[in-house]
Amino acid sequence: EAGVTQSPTHLIKTRGQQATLRCSPISGHTSVYWYQQALGLGLQFLLWYDEGEERNRGNFPPRFSGRQFPNYSSELNVNALELEDSALYLCASSWGQGRGYTFGSGTRLTVV
Amino acid sequence: QKEVEQNSGPLSVPEGAIASLNCTYSDRGSQSFFWYRQYSGKSPELIMSIYSNGDKEDGRFTAQLNKASQYVSLLIRDSQPSDSATYLCAVIRSNDYKLSFGAGTTVTVRA
Repeated sequence: EAGVTQSPTHLIKTRGQQATLRCSPISGHTSVYWYQQALGLGLQFLLWYDEGEERNRGNFPPRFSGRQFPNYSSELNVNALELEDSALYLCASSWGQGRGYTFGSGTRLTVV
Repeated sequence: QKEVEQNSGPLSVPEGAIASLNCTYSDRGSQSFFWYRQYSGKSPELIMSIYSNGDKEDGRFTAQLNKASQYVSLLIRDSQPSDSATYLCAVIRSNDYKLSFGAGTTVTVRA
């Protein structure tokens, strides 16, 4: 069974540009979660999508947005990139509320 | 008060010893608790889940849950150098099912 897949692995952008990160959940999982992990910091919850709808978002500005497609894959968009957006962005999926999440390998975003 | 708090560490133990990791949480209604292991530069890996009070054992790992005290712990027996990693405690909030993580405890197993 394929795990959670994320692309690209690494992404380098210039301040002010937009970044798009992609995630495919484990087959059968309908929920997709996005987390940010800045260097030396903990995992910060960004967004939760389930059945194509945004269910919850963390304390991040509106320039962080995303969507979930009918096949349950998801993309995270970060507009007007700032230097402090440099971090590891992790996508996770689960098969039900209250169950553990399985994480992908992440996308390392570097803003220069 | 933070949603999930872990003993700050870092924790250094000799090979073969027991590593003990502690975690407290603030949401009394939480029902689902997890321990993740994260190697440097890698993504978190789920190693234990626990949903009811008491102990749950899986190989060299034992998770303990006490909902009355809002306390979760992880014991690593016969610690190996490959156990050297950051261990993250995670709790699902009862009001919105969001998985909240502690800051993590870094464990180093000395050969």
